[in-house]
Amino acid sequence: AQSVTQLDSHVSVSEGTPVLLRCNYSSSYSPSLFWYVQHPNKGLQLLLKYTSAATLVKGINGFEAEFKKSETSFHLTKPSAHMSDAAEYFCVVSDPYGSSNTGKLIFGQGTTLQVKP
Amino acid sequence: DSGVTQTPKHLITATGQRVTLRCSPRSGDLSVYWYQQSLDQGLQFLIQYYNGEERAKGNILERFSAQQFPDLHSELNLSSLELGDSALYFCASSVVGHLEETQYFGPGTRLLVL
Repeated sequence: AQSVTQLDSHVSVSEGTPVLLRCNYSSSYSPSLFWYVQHPNKGLQLLLKYTSAATLVKGINGFEAEFKKSETSFHLTKPSAHMSDAAEYFCVVSDPYGSSNTGKLIFGQGTTLQVKP
Repeated sequence: DSGVTQTPKHLITATGQRVTLRCSPRSGDLSVYWYQQSLDQGLQFLIQYYNGEERAKGNILERFSAQQFPDLHSELNLSSLELGDSALYFCASSVVGHLEETQYFGPGTRLLVL
């Protein structure tokens, strides 16, 4: 089965500094990987996804992630943090049902991003 | 706004009771998923439907059941509620449920069991 591990439960950065949220995955095949964001008392919003095309994936709000198969990583980055980026971030992998092309999402435990003024 | 709607937003009930959570997928999406988010278990997949048929089950308790209706809306029924069922329940939808598809999430229903 597929799994994801988010290496930091909490990350704190200053506004205007870079953001790095780390995620490692475990998969026996080429996975579909996603990053979702959850703002307080809100639903989940897709930031970006990787589905075996370009390894550097650009998402919304200036976020991007790089798929590194050799390191089984899919870290999320942003060059300059904004106060509005403060939220919970989830690294997610698709887990197929047997050999089918359908599956469910498996979520990491989440990383809380704090942005200090 | 993802286009997925869920009602009600909040629900407070007592142990032993039964509740029904409702979800309307995005227009055109045939696949609906239910997820539970709790402090101790995190976000967990419960069940998936595609065009009215159950496609897959995850960590869904026997006290819980779901269905998808001909108009594609879905309901999650939770019965014999326990304190530990208090959680945020999300519905998501995608076009046909393929692995690489984006799942769009609703705002969630927050259930509190007292």
